[in-house]
Amino acid sequence: QVQLVESGGGVVQSGRSLRLSCAAFGFSFTSYGLHWVRQAPGKGLEWVAFTSYDGDKKYYADSVKGRFTISRDDSDNTLYLRMNSLRGEDTAVYYCAKERSTFSGWTAFDYWGQGTLVTVSS
Amino acid sequence: DIQMTQSPSTLSASVGDRVTITCRASQSISTWLAWYQQKPGKAPKFLIYDASSLESGVPSRFSGSGSGTEFTLTISSLQPDDFATYYCQQYNSYSWTFGQGTKVEIK
Repeated sequence: QVQLVESGGGVVQSGRSLRLSCAAFGFSFTSYGLHWVRQAPGKGLEWVAFTSYDGDKKYYADSVKGRFTISRDDSDNTLYLRMNSLRGEDTAVYYCAKERSTFSGWTAFDYWGQGTLVTVSS
Repeated sequence: DIQMTQSPSTLSASVGDRVTITCRASQSISTWLAWYQQKPGKAPKFLIYDASSLESGVPSRFSGSGSGTEFTLTISSLQPDDFATYYCQQYNSYSWTFGQGTKVEIK
């Protein structure tokens, strides 16, 4: 069955970098767009970044544009989020999520990982 | 960016109640809207897509309606497992946004 497993979270100092990974199982990885969504402690969901099924299209929330980079490695079915110049407001649980429809971009997110916590300390 | 506003922020209800949550978009999004359920410490669970289509495996007591800028999620008879926070999300543009959430708590 479909499974998304995030890793790479932890405690990092403000201004430093971190790379999150999301390993995907149980579906045709190269047919789906993928997203990163985050949730600050006690807050709501915030969309962070998107990569299309082929990696050609990438979009970012204004709050992370220029600092975060989304990428995918189709050879081992893994999604990444490179986070540079981290700030306190980036502290959150980061989820990867799969698009419901193939080759789309305009669709809901049907499967989510369990999340990985990133804590940015000063 | 399209803003999504949910109401109420918190809703107190009893088992068996009919519950309705409203989500408004700052501009028309046709029916490009989804609903998710989230319980504490867990990832969101996908419930409804395209405003009114129920995801496979989701109980039929959940339903969605609306188009344009106003949408609703209805739970016809609230069950103990339904106490959670619910989020709407638009996917009309390449800047996906969520509502701020509605917490359904036990009355």
